[in-house]
Formats: sequence, C-alpha cells, structure tokens
Amino acid sequence: NAGVMQNPRHLVRRRGQEARLRCSPMKGHSHVYWYRQLPEEGLKFMVYLQKENIIDESGMPKERFSAEFPKEGPSILRIQQVVRGDSAAYFCASSQQGTNEKLFFGSGTQLSVL
Amino acid sequence: GESVGLHLPTLSVQEGDNSIINCAYSNSASDYFIWYKQESGKGPQFIIDIRSNMDKRQGQRVTVLLNKTVKHLSLQIAATQPGDSAVYFCAASRLGKSTFGDGTTLTVKP
Repeated sequence: NAGVMQNPRHLVRRRGQEARLRCSPMKGHSHVYWYRQLPEEGLKFMVYLQKENIIDESGMPKERFSAEFPKEGPSILRIQQVVRGDSAAYFCASSQQGTNEKLFFGSGTQLSVL
Repeated sequence: GESVGLHLPTLSVQEGDNSIINCAYSNSASDYFIWYKQESGKGPQFIIDIRSNMDKRQGQRVTVLLNKTVKHLSLQIAATQPGDSAVYFCAASRLGKSTFGDGTTLTVKP
C-alpha cells in the first residue's frame, strides 16, 4: 500500500512563473491537506479538501494560490506568478475519514523561486 | 482560531535517558492531539495520539499526557536512542483541521 506520493520532489521556478504541485493520497483516503513549512518553522495549514470539494481554505493566501482535488487524479496545489517568498517546503497529507484522525504525510515538494 | 506552541525549541539528552517535550495549545475546543516526528528531508511521521476524553496514552517507549485544564500536552520518550534524534511537532485538531506548533529539535548524544 503506497503512501502519500508528492511530485515533483524539487521544483525550481523563476519569479512570475507558475508552480504546480501534485499529491496522490494513500489508497482509500479521500481527505487531503496541504501544509507549508519554512526553514526552522512548523507546518502552516493551507487548505483541506475532499473529493471535488474545498472544506477549509482558511490558510490559503487570497491571491495567486489555488487547490483542487478532482474526482479522478491527484490533488493539485497551484501557485501563479511565484515570488521569492513562496520558496518553502509544501507537504501534502491524507486521511481516511477527515475527523480526529492521524495524518499521513508525503515527502514534500521543495519549491525554490529564483 | 488555534495556536500551538512548544516550550523549548531544542532539547539535548544523553542516550538512554528519558526525554520530555512539552506543548501548549490555546483552543479549548480542540478535541484531538497528535505528536509527529520529522527527520531531515522527510515529511512528518505519526508517533502517538490522544483524544480529549483521555489524559494519558502509552505506546512503545512513548507516552502522551494531556492536561485540558491548563491546555498542555507532553510527549515522553523512554530510554532515548540516537534514532530518536529529529524534530518533534505537536498538533491540535478540530473538525479535521490540525494546527501545528513550531517543533522541538531533539538531539541524542551517544
């Protein structure tokens, strides 16, 4: 049973480009969460999605960031017109039921904006 | 909202000693608490959890204590080993959303 798969592992973008981060949850999990981590800091919640629905996006910046979790395929975190401050590790996690459950994390995508 | 803070950003212990990592949370409505371990270059990994209707839970070499009165959570690691060296995060969860603290870096000296 494969774990949470994130790709790419590393992503380099120039300022103004778009970044697309992908996350495939564990088999049987329909709840996906995206977190952002800056060096030496904890994980900051961004968004919580269930298949085809955004449940909680209270941690998402209002502009340039969007997330989706379609009926088929991986969840996508999209960052448009990236700026240097977007450089961080982005982690995806999944759970089976979505409430009062441990999260299973992927290995993260390290985004570097030049 | 919820905020979660750890009491010490770093902790250094001798191999074989017991380690205690402490955490405070702010939202009394949080009803599920989890400790995660993160090794360099990897995603967080679940260690142990506890629900708000309990005050203690034990796993293999790890114990979590929850004090809801003062909104405090602790992780105890018995007989700490070099492989326990990592960053430890506590998380408080409500309605599916987990809020993480900034982490305590545990260093185990041989």
